[in-house]
Amino acid sequence: GNSVTQMEGPVTLSEEAFLTINCTYTATGYPSLFWYVQYPGEGLQLLLKATKADDKGSNKGFEATYRKETTSFHLEKGSVQVSDSAVYFCALSGGDSGYALNFGKGTSLLVTP
Amino acid sequence: DTGVSQDPRHKITKRGQNVTFRCDPISEHNRLYWYRQTLGQGPEFLTYFQNEAQLEKSRLLSDRFSAERPKGSFSTLEIQRTEQGDSAMYLCASSTYDEQFFGPGTRLTVL
Repeated sequence: GNSVTQMEGPVTLSEEAFLTINCTYTATGYPSLFWYVQYPGEGLQLLLKATKADDKGSNKGFEATYRKETTSFHLEKGSVQVSDSAVYFCALSGGDSGYALNFGKGTSLLVTP
Repeated sequence: DTGVSQDPRHKITKRGQNVTFRCDPISEHNRLYWYRQTLGQGPEFLTYFQNEAQLEKSRLLSDRFSAERPKGSFSTLEIQRTEQGDSAMYLCASSTYDEQFFGPGTRLTVL
């Protein structure tokens, strides 16, 4: 069945550092890929998505590219801010998952001043 | 506020009691989902409705769990004979297509 694996946290970075959070997936068919973010005390929010191979999703300075050849959807940001401190979840839907989202375990990011 | 709302936000109950949660989706969304999230884990899919029809159920949804969406608007999730292992955050989401919008969740604590 479908599954998502993302790098374990916590990740601690200084402000303005470069961020990469790795995400790989296993899926049949052609899933859509997502990054969700959960800020402290808040609900899950969609950060970005990509629906087909080589698509790049982007939002708020974050980017991720749907790489079918490496089954990856790594999240990147060139310069993180303290306000980016949150838990980031990689997820997929489609293929065997149908419409349900299949999430990774989440990666906690702490950005220090 | 036109987002997904859930009620109650917190529920504390004793083992063996029944609990019911409500979800009000974004009004034009025909798809509604329930997920469960435990500490340190990503949300896990429980069930999915398209309009009033329950189209998918996870194997996580034991026979103590039942969900309804009468008239295709709000949804309820009932847990009968709660167990301590049911303690979790229960999340509701809605969508028209693939972008799911999540509510704030109901945190259940079973004593």
